[in-house]
Amino acid sequence: AQSVAQPEDQVNVAEGNPLTVKCTYSVSGNPYLFWYVQYPNRGLQFLLKYITGDNLVKGSYGFEAEFNKSQTSFHLKKPSALVSDSALYFCAVRDGSSNTGKLIFGQGTTLQVKP
Amino acid sequence: DSGVTQTPKHLITATGQRVTLRCSPRSGDLSVYWYQQSLDQGLQFLIQYYNGEERAKGNILERFSAQQFPDLHSELNLSSLELGDSALYFCASSVGHLTNEKLFFGSGTQLSVL
Repeated sequence: AQSVAQPEDQVNVAEGNPLTVKCTYSVSGNPYLFWYVQYPNRGLQFLLKYITGDNLVKGSYGFEAEFNKSQTSFHLKKPSALVSDSALYFCAVRDGSSNTGKLIFGQGTTLQVKP
Repeated sequence: DSGVTQTPKHLITATGQRVTLRCSPRSGDLSVYWYQQSLDQGLQFLIQYYNGEERAKGNILERFSAQQFPDLHSELNLSSLELGDSALYFCASSVGHLTNEKLFFGSGTQLSVL
């Protein structure tokens, strides 16, 4: 079975500082990992994904994520946070060995960037 | 705009009633997914359809059912509604059924059961 854990309900960071939103996963086959962002009263928007290859994945809006197989983690990062980055962030995992597109999400982490 | 359309945006109904949520996927997308988002359960995968056929099933209650029609739109039917069914229901679509594809989400239907 697949599962995702986002250990922090909320992350607070000052504008201009680096940010990290943590994610760990569990999957029996190959992990396909995703980050999505949700703004108030909106649907989820895709940020980036890791399928294979380079452990550092670059995505939209200056975000990047680092895949660490030994720690089963896929933390989201950004070198310099913006107030407009404040939103709800979801990590998600698929079992790459399965034949379905079933995507399992973590509980979400609220990112607050203060001016 | 993701290209995924969900109607209605808001739905208020009473316990015991039945409702239908509708989703039109992005043009060309063959897969449709339904998710339920609530404060206590988070974002829960309900069901996936690919080109009219059920592809994967998640934590979907027996009171809930879904289908995907030949024109690829999908409907989620919720019956014998309970207070606990109040949630935001999202539909998402993807081009195919491959596991490396990203999902495009609609804006959701906010269901309130009173």
